[in-house]
Amino acid sequence: AQTVTQSQPEMSVQEAETVTLSCTYDTSESDYYLFWYKQPPSRQMILVIRQEAYKQQNATENRFSVNFQKAAKSFSLKISDSQLGDAAMYFCAYRSALGAGGTSYGKLTFGQGTILTVHP
Amino acid sequence: GAVVSQHPSWVICKSGTSVKIECRSLDFQATTMFWYRQFPKQSLMLMATSNEGSKATYEQGVEKDKFLINHASLTLSTLTVTSAHPEDSSFYICSASFRGKGNEQYFGPGTRLTVT
Repeated sequence: AQTVTQSQPEMSVQEAETVTLSCTYDTSESDYYLFWYKQPPSRQMILVIRQEAYKQQNATENRFSVNFQKAAKSFSLKISDSQLGDAAMYFCAYRSALGAGGTSYGKLTFGQGTILTVHP
Repeated sequence: GAVVSQHPSWVICKSGTSVKIECRSLDFQATTMFWYRQFPKQSLMLMATSNEGSKATYEQGVEKDKFLINHASLTLSTLTVTSAHPEDSSFYICSASFRGKGNEQYFGPGTRLTVT
């Protein structure tokens, strides 16, 4: 079974600064997807960024970028130019790329989450 | 596109009663829906996976007779908490996915259940 670990229960950053959230995972699969989700106080889950394991290039979405180290099974999220609206709980998640029929098809495995506070 | 709604957003019920939560995909047909439970400041815990027209697959430790899931159509899944007790109070989140959309999960806004 896959596991996802976020070792930072809480992080804080000054507005306009950069912060990196850590995530490690364990899997025996070679093809999979990794995600970062944001859950603001409204509790609506918002997809921040997605990485496909077969792609070596790190994904970026505006101020959000990842550092994907497949061999080390590490997937960190960097938030640049932090804004007050970035304050939320962030979840790292894993999804197998196995086809339909498998018991884990489509399932997301979430990490414990990191609460990010942004100070003005 | 890819909007998922949940109803109600907040429900209070008395201990021993049953409550139904609806999850709808508004602009796509969801082949699979997922139900999660989340306690404050904790991660999402998958309860069950449901495919349209078939029985839900429950995660280990989730009481299928207590948490009834029905996926009657490609746009609607329901979670019924039967004989609710205060310990069932939690935040319930559904998500929906469709292979045509890369099998991404699109999340509903969640339902806060309080059992008194």
